Amino acid sequence: DAGVTQSPTHLIKTRGQQVTLRCSPKSGHDTVSWYQQALGQGPQFIFQYYEEEERQRGNFPDRFSGHQFPNYSSELNVNALLLGDSALYLCASTFDRNTEAFFGQGTRLTVV
Amino acid sequence: AQSVTQLGSHVSVSEGALVLLRCNYSSSVPPYLFWYVQYPNQGLQLLLKYTSAATLVKGINGFEAEFKKSETSFHLTKPSAHMSDAAEYFCAVSDPTGGSYIPTFGRGTSLIVHP
Repeated sequence: DAGVTQSPTHLIKTRGQQVTLRCSPKSGHDTVSWYQQALGQGPQFIFQYYEEEERQRGNFPDRFSGHQFPNYSSELNVNALLLGDSALYLCASTFDRNTEAFFGQGTRLTVV
Repeated sequence: AQSVTQLGSHVSVSEGALVLLRCNYSSSVPPYLFWYVQYPNQGLQLLLKYTSAATLVKGINGFEAEFKKSETSFHLTKPSAHMSDAAEYFCAVSDPTGGSYIPTFGRGTSLIVHP
């Protein structure tokens, strides 16, 4: 079992560009959540996808959007990147609303 | 709304000494509580969770935590620290009544273990 896999592991983008991050959930999991972890901070919830729909959203602007595919994998898109978007982006998967979430290793996004 | 406060951004202990990482929560409903560990350049790994069963919860790697409703606390302990315990530790709270179980994380405590 490969667990939760995220790609790419590192990414450097220029301010104003757009970025897409990808996540494959743990086998058997159908729910994907995305988090932003700024340096020295705890993870902040961005949104959660279930059955290809956004089920819940945190306090993030519309520049942050996502998608879930029929195979349960997910993408996080961020438009009009700001320097403040530089962070570690974590994906977590669960089986529906099960309490134990499994996290990927994250994608380190640097905006210059 | 729920929140978590982790007291102390850094905790330093000697190898073999007691580890105590403090977490206080705020929740308008009986919460679910979690401790996660994050090693450098890694994702988060669940250490243990409290979901309204026994108030003393045992987790992996010898860690345990006790839910104290009267003190709104969920402190993490380990009797004897090991060098491999050096990592970032996050306390988290979620509201099970809404059905989403999405945790709200604290800012984290960095555990430093000296030889």
